[in-house]
Amino acid sequence: AQSVTQLGSHVSVSEGALVLLRCNYSSSVPPYLFWYVQYPNQGLQLLLKYTTGATLVKGINGFEAEFKKSETSFHLTKPSAHMSDAAEYFCAVTSGGATNKLIFGTGTLLAVQP
Amino acid sequence: DVKVTQSSRYLVKRTGEKVFLECVQDMDHENMFWYRQDPGLGLRLIYFSYDVKMKEKGDIPEGYSVSREKKERFSLILESASTNQTSMYLCASNPGQNYGYTFGSGTRLTVV
Repeated sequence: AQSVTQLGSHVSVSEGALVLLRCNYSSSVPPYLFWYVQYPNQGLQLLLKYTTGATLVKGINGFEAEFKKSETSFHLTKPSAHMSDAAEYFCAVTSGGATNKLIFGTGTLLAVQP
Repeated sequence: DVKVTQSSRYLVKRTGEKVFLECVQDMDHENMFWYRQDPGLGLRLIYFSYDVKMKEKGDIPEGYSVSREKKERFSLILESASTNQTSMYLCASNPGQNYGYTFGSGTRLTVV
């Protein structure tokens, strides 16, 4: 069965510092992987996705993620944090088979300190 | 711009009430989903639908039912609301397998 593990429920960085949010997945089929961002009291917004092809994926707001099959990882990075990046981030993987469900991690809350 | 619209942002209901949460999408998507979100637990799938009048249970269907009479509308029903159903409810849709979801803004339900 597919699953997602996000290491660190809370991450704090200084403004201008590197952002690294970790995601590891388990999948019995070739995975499609997603990162979503959620601002307070809002729904989730797609940041980026990996389906096939290039393993380094660029998304909105300067974020990128690299699919590493050997490490079963899909970590999210941003070179320089901005105050507006403070939000909760969710990693997700497709459930495989004929269904269209996504399996979500438990989320990482990113705080950005001035 | 594609949209998923949830009818209420905030709701307060009494224990035992029957509660309807409505979700409408304007993208002609086949699949629609209801999740609940609780701190530390992430998003948990309640029900999903892959076609009109078709539905499947997710991971936590107990105490909930759904209705999809039209392609664009997917309703979540709490048959008899209880305090442990106080949560953020998120509706989402997608056009097919391996596509990401488009989410609504969420409904924060409080059962008192």
